[in-house]
Amino acid sequence: EAQVTQNPRYLITVTGKKLTVTCSQNMNHEYMSWYRQDPGLGLRQIYYSMNVEVTDKGDVPEGYKVSRKEKRNFPLILESPSPNQTSLYFCASSLSGGDRWSEQYFGPGTRLTVT
Amino acid sequence: AQSVAQPEDQVNVAEGNPLTVKCTYSVSGNPYLFWYVQYPNRGLQFLLKYITGDNLVKGSYGFEAEFNKSQTSFHLKKPSALVSDSALYFCAVRDISSTLTFGKGTMLLVSP
Repeated sequence: EAQVTQNPRYLITVTGKKLTVTCSQNMNHEYMSWYRQDPGLGLRQIYYSMNVEVTDKGDVPEGYKVSRKEKRNFPLILESPSPNQTSLYFCASSLSGGDRWSEQYFGPGTRLTVT
Repeated sequence: AQSVAQPEDQVNVAEGNPLTVKCTYSVSGNPYLFWYVQYPNRGLQFLLKYITGDNLVKGSYGFEAEFNKSQTSFHLKKPSALVSDSALYFCAVRDISSTLTFGKGTMLLVSP
């Protein structure tokens, strides 16, 4: 089954404790992206990747890191999480980043709480 | 910078009635427009998109959207709403950049 998977689905952590949220897709998509969803703000893009070893900042990249060492995986790293990073996070992928008409496929989401 | 506005936080409609969820956008150049739906505790699902050509776009689950260039709008419509259509709907736009900008979302509530 074609899908985007994220782990963990739920995470409660404390301020400053490094964490990684994994994202994997099995559709051989070139483009992958991370979003955060907050009430009243919709989805905002954190980082995106056009292909392996190519990443770029989205609208809200501060406090986050990403890497794209292989095509299927695009982990989101919070080196020192803070309470304002409490949010619902979505990973997404699409066939080609260069084709602006490619729709994105979303993972199920990761609900992160930082205390 | 591109932007999307969904002027209604919530739309209420009775089952069987037509529904409209509004979206307006601002971009440089030709827009690529999308609608996504989010059911409770789920990720977003693609509904439909406008690239070029016919201004009326048909998508999944009986939804359609009308592109209006002069009004910079891309409203989502369905002739007859179902209770199961109740969900959060997002409009999104992409221009010459590689970022996809979403609206804040509109909650659609369909009553029996």
